Amino acid sequence: SYVLTQPPSVSVAPGKTATITCGGDNIGSRSVHWYQQKPGQAPVLVISYDNDRPSGLPGRFSGSNSGDTASLTISRVEAGDEADYYCQVWYSGSVVFGTGTKVTVL
Amino acid sequence: EVQLLESGGALVQPGGSLRLSCAASGFSFGNYPMNWVRQAPGKGLEWVAIISGNGGTAFYADSVKGRFTISRDNSKDTVYLQMNSLRAGDTGIYYCAKVTTTMSTPLDPWGQGTLVTVSS
Repeated sequence: SYVLTQPPSVSVAPGKTATITCGGDNIGSRSVHWYQQKPGQAPVLVISYDNDRPSGLPGRFSGSNSGDTASLTISRVEAGDEADYYCQVWYSGSVVFGTGTKVTVL
Repeated sequence: EVQLLESGGALVQPGGSLRLSCAASGFSFGNYPMNWVRQAPGKGLEWVAIISGNGGTAFYADSVKGRFTISRDNSKDTVYLQMNSLRAGDTGIYYCAKVTTTMSTPLDPWGQGTLVTVSS
């Protein structure tokens, strides 16, 4: 099986930059997608194919992927960005999610 | 607008069975694979199963293989999850999610979920 490891939590002050990592064996060779889940809500796709933003999503969200680490970066963080974030890849006939990261806005 | 509406969640005893449904609208249902993803209380996302657009191919997480069956009725724009031999560890919110194009593509959008509780 394929394991994706994320830090359990990231704390960031408003207006600053938050970076969430997603570690996996040679993950740079795979397409990585990111989901945001706010309390009591279903997940929402925020980044696809490493760094593609859905239409309507703020440009403050961006992604990168190389080697063994993919990253989601949220610039100029706002209170509304507080949520859980999950990375995801497709591996050998299965959908694999990362362990999830809780982003707290201080 | 794409909409996914799950139903069928309930309280069930260990060893029991349950069938979840996900009714889709707003897109050509039979052209898209569909997923089930679950989330235990306070925990992360766990993928459960995926089925191809024509229903001919399905893949399962090891944790549910042999107990759960995903199926679909394209005439009713509905995907199902038949869950047998339920365990306490199967408790959680179950989401259905459409893929963007093919099986390996992102999950978007997701339904609001239905709660399954396995307890005596």
